[in-house]
Amino acid sequence: NAGVMQNPRHLVRRRGQEARLRCSPMKGHSHVYWYRQLPEEGLKFMVYLQKENIIDESGMPKERFSAEFPKEGPSILRIQQVVRGDSAAYFCASSPDRGEQYFGPGTRLTVT
Amino acid sequence: KQEVTQIPAALSVPEGENLVLNCSFTDSAIYNLQWFRQDPGKGLTSLLLIQSSQREQTSGRLNASLDKSSGRSTLYIAASQPGDSATYLCAVGSNYGQNFVFGPGTRLSVLP
Repeated sequence: NAGVMQNPRHLVRRRGQEARLRCSPMKGHSHVYWYRQLPEEGLKFMVYLQKENIIDESGMPKERFSAEFPKEGPSILRIQQVVRGDSAAYFCASSPDRGEQYFGPGTRLTVT
Repeated sequence: KQEVTQIPAALSVPEGENLVLNCSFTDSAIYNLQWFRQDPGKGLTSLLLIQSSQREQTSGRLNASLDKSSGRSTLYIAASQPGDSATYLCAVGSNYGQNFVFGPGTRLSVLP
């Protein structure tokens, strides 16, 4: 059973461009969580999704950020019109239920 | 709002020592608690998960305890090795939401 996959591992975007981060959960896991780790800061929850539904987006910035987890395919975290402050490591985790979360390797976004 | 703290922020010990890392949380209505390690520039590796009804969990040289009433968890590492050097993160899942609230981490260095 492959672990949680995230791609790309590293992403460089210029200010104003769009960033798309992908997360493929472990097989059989229908719960996906996105977290952000800003430089020199701790991990902060962004959004929790189950297949085709956003359950909790209380940690998502109100503008420019969106997330989806379609019936088929990976979960996508989309950041529109990126700014330098969006530079961070974005981690995805999956779980089969409300239990243990398994984390992916992260996507490191750099905005130039 | 749940807040999680970890003490100490950094720890340096000689190889072979037993050590204890501490995690405190403000809201005792937790669902579970998970300990992770994070190597520099890498993702999170799950170490131990404790459900709210449990008092401790063990895996190899690691033992994690949970005292909900006092809002504390400890991670005990026996016979530390240089390969244990990493940042150790405590994450608390609450009864009210699906996401984890992370502590800031303890940066551990085990010297050969």
